[in-house]
Amino acid sequence: GQNIDQPTEMTATEGAIVQINCTYQTSGFNGLFWYQQHAGEAPTFLSYNVLDGLEEKGRFSSFLSRSKGYSYLLLKELQMKDSASYLCAVRDAGKSTFGDGTTLTVKP
Amino acid sequence: DTEVTQTPKHLVMGMTNKKSLKCEQHMGHRAMYWYKQKAKKPPELMFVYSYEKLSINESVPSRFSPECPNSSLLNLHLHALQPEDSALYLCASSQESGQGLIQYFGAGTRLSVL
Repeated sequence: GQNIDQPTEMTATEGAIVQINCTYQTSGFNGLFWYQQHAGEAPTFLSYNVLDGLEEKGRFSSFLSRSKGYSYLLLKELQMKDSASYLCAVRDAGKSTFGDGTTLTVKP
Repeated sequence: DTEVTQTPKHLVMGMTNKKSLKCEQHMGHRAMYWYKQKAKKPPELMFVYSYEKLSINESVPSRFSPECPNSSLLNLHLHALQPEDSALYLCASSQESGQGLIQYFGAGTRLSVL
């Protein structure tokens, strides 16, 4: 089975940097994804890691360590619009399993 | 074009009604998915179609019946639903490998069962 853990809530200040962690225990592994979901909207893709290391995409970076079953999403220069739920998802055997998500609140 | 289109956006139905949710993508993706999402919870996978064949059914009750008429369309037929089935139903699509595993989600259908 799949077990994916993320913090439930985080709060950060506009302009700051925040790191959202995700740990997983899965029977197989074929990639880890981060999605952003604003309230009432569909999830949108942020990043994808399948090999160890850091993937950078603008203000967003994602890191993966397969041996540790660990990933993080790093958000820099936080903006108010970054307030959303951030979902970690692990792909295995043709499907993705989502963590419960981390609700990030960005304050002025 | 990375758009997945779902209709209707909102649906209210009684427990004896029959209705269908529709999903369409024109990205040439060969995998399509139905998810159910309750408030403040992550999406839960219901069905996966790969090359128009049902490849995963996550033990979903038979009152939900998926259909994939062609590679661009995915339907979810609803019959005799229960109030606890009220949720946001999300459709997604993806390629089959590598970076193509990225799923693109539609905006969802918000379903209320009375």
